[in-house]
Amino acid sequence: EDQVTQSPEALRLQEGESSSLNCSYTVSGLRGLFWYRQDPGKGPEFLFTLYSAGEEKEKERLKATLTKKESFLHITAPKPEDSATYLCAVQSYMDTGRRALTFGSGTRLQVQP
Amino acid sequence: SQTIHQWPATLVQPVGSPLSLECTVEGTSNPNLYWYRQAAGRGLQLLFYSVGIGQISSEVPQNLSASRPQDRQFILSSKKLLLSDSGFYLCAWSGGGMGSTEAFFGQGTRLTVV
Repeated sequence: EDQVTQSPEALRLQEGESSSLNCSYTVSGLRGLFWYRQDPGKGPEFLFTLYSAGEEKEKERLKATLTKKESFLHITAPKPEDSATYLCAVQSYMDTGRRALTFGSGTRLQVQP
Repeated sequence: SQTIHQWPATLVQPVGSPLSLECTVEGTSNPNLYWYRQAAGRGLQLLFYSVGIGQISSEVPQNLSASRPQDRQFILSSKKLLLSDSGFYLCAWSGGGMGSTEAFFGQGTRLTVV
């Protein structure tokens, strides 16, 4: 069974204070690892897809990296508008039909001015 | 570009009443469609998925059902709501076949059963 564990559950940063969010996963053949941002009361917004160990993707102040067991979402010099819950999800090669995602519980990030 | 619409945004329903949540996708054809539920502070739980018109698979035995009457329309229903059906419901689509694997979500429906 695919599993995703995110840590920490919550993170409070000062504006400009860089940090990283962790996503540990267990999957039967990784097809893709996905990062989403979710604002309160809204649907998740797609950020990145990572396919293989060593891959990195960047978008503004966010950079996602992937190893064979975990992924990190690095936030550089965050701003208050980066405050949100960040969700990690995986998809398995064994799941060729439905292509559903297995999600972690998320990290709730708060960036204070 | 592709867009996904989900409505209503919020819903308060009495126990025992019926439910119908609708989701439509624009700008793509033959998508995979999904209904997820998100409990407070928890990850998303897959409820139903569909790879084509009339093809519905249920992931979790429950009081809910889903239908796909058209290629880009996905409906979540219940004949009689339970208190435990309260939650945040999300519709999503992804590319079918050999297409892209990431999922794109609607804005969600907050359902409160009273």
